[in-house]
Amino acid sequence: NAGVTQTPKFQVLKTGQSMTLQCAQDMNHNSMYWYRQDPGMGLRLIYYSASEGTTDKGEVPNGYNVSRLNKREFSLRLESAAPSQTSVYFCASRAVPHNEQFFGPGTRLTVL
Amino acid sequence: KNQVEQSPQSLIILEGKNCTLQCNYTVSPFSNLRWYKQDTGRGPVSLTIMTFSENTKSNGRYTATLDADTKQSSLHITASQLSDSASYICVVSEGGSYIPTFGRGTSLIVHP
Repeated sequence: NAGVTQTPKFQVLKTGQSMTLQCAQDMNHNSMYWYRQDPGMGLRLIYYSASEGTTDKGEVPNGYNVSRLNKREFSLRLESAAPSQTSVYFCASRAVPHNEQFFGPGTRLTVL
Repeated sequence: KNQVEQSPQSLIILEGKNCTLQCNYTVSPFSNLRWYKQDTGRGPVSLTIMTFSENTKSNGRYTATLDADTKQSSLHITASQLSDSASYICVVSEGGSYIPTFGRGTSLIVHP
């Protein structure tokens, strides 16, 4: 039981490049989330998927797209990376009924 | 707008000492409140959950309290250890919502 896994762990991009962050969970959770964490800002929600087949914007969706590939996998895509997207990205899935979120280990992204 | 405010922003204590972290929220309707611990370089992990009817809950050396009337929670750490050095995040869930509200966290450093 691996929980929530994310790939890659580290990534350096140049401005304008694209990439996809991968996330998978093996806990059979319906809801999945993508957050970014910046110093002093806490965790901010980018996109979430309440269930397979649905996705919705969070607090800071601009510059990102997501795909809920199946119940297990939820990917985050940066189409044209910008330095402002330098951050640590966390994927999470949520258990019901008490709303505990399980987080992945994070992806540390630097955009030059 | 739902908000979660945590204080202090950072705290430095000596090993063996006690400390208390505060969380005030405006989330309504209230469903539950969780305290997460985030070690450096890792994703947050749930420490404890408080529901409306609970006033106090302990998890080892961690004791959480909830006053639903004043919308305040605290996390008390007893006999601190070096391994308690981490960020502690208060997260409040709204009834019927998929999106929890995160505080910005309290950074705790325990010195030997």
